[in-house]
Amino acid sequence: RKEVEQDPGPFNVPEGATVAFNCTYSNSASQSFFWYRQDCRKEPKLLMSVYSSGNEDGRFTAQLNRASQYISLLIRDSKLSDSATYLCVVNTASGGSQGNLIFGKGTKLSVKP
Amino acid sequence: NAGVTQTPKFQVLKTGQSMTLQCAQDMNHNSMYWYRQDPGMGLRLIYYSASEGTTDKGEVPNGYNVSRLNKREFSLRLESAAPSQTSVYFCASRAALTPNTGELFFGEGSRLTVL
Repeated sequence: RKEVEQDPGPFNVPEGATVAFNCTYSNSASQSFFWYRQDCRKEPKLLMSVYSSGNEDGRFTAQLNRASQYISLLIRDSKLSDSATYLCVVNTASGGSQGNLIFGKGTKLSVKP
Repeated sequence: NAGVTQTPKFQVLKTGQSMTLQCAQDMNHNSMYWYRQDPGMGLRLIYYSASEGTTDKGEVPNGYNVSRLNKREFSLRLESAAPSQTSVYFCASRAALTPNTGELFFGEGSRLTVL
């Protein structure tokens, strides 16, 4: 099983749609989780961290299920500007070490008018 | 506020040539990283430097060397370029030494083609 797995997509959705991405991770000792966004031919940028209790930032909701080892990202009321690749990132740190950030291959989202 | 600056942005090399990718950050971050991104492979860690004076191998270090010149600068060197090293290279930095915090800030990327 790969360390961090995502459905590559592409997800093609109309404006206004709700879309959800899932990500699974293999290391049960993983400590922290993030979603990054990468626009075409640009660098990745942090979208949001994922907290154990789940968290929301405007139209975006992130959830973590440690028992099943998956993370989700929900985007409500999709905008054209949401078109990008969404990267799931897991930190495999344990103890006092900084750990290593493992990136999923990304899920491509295309929002159409 | 420049953030993370990489040079060059584009480079074409012939097999066997050497080159150095430069990276500098102005955010006083402790940790710096070099990733490569290939289609269908995602971002893979080449080398990282948890703090000034230390460097460690990542997932795909073969064919590369790094130097953490000072707190600001972290360079990546290809001693003898191979076509398999054709990729987009990203430098990144992070402030925190603890795993649960610390956003990664990326440079704009360096697109390298090895013929």
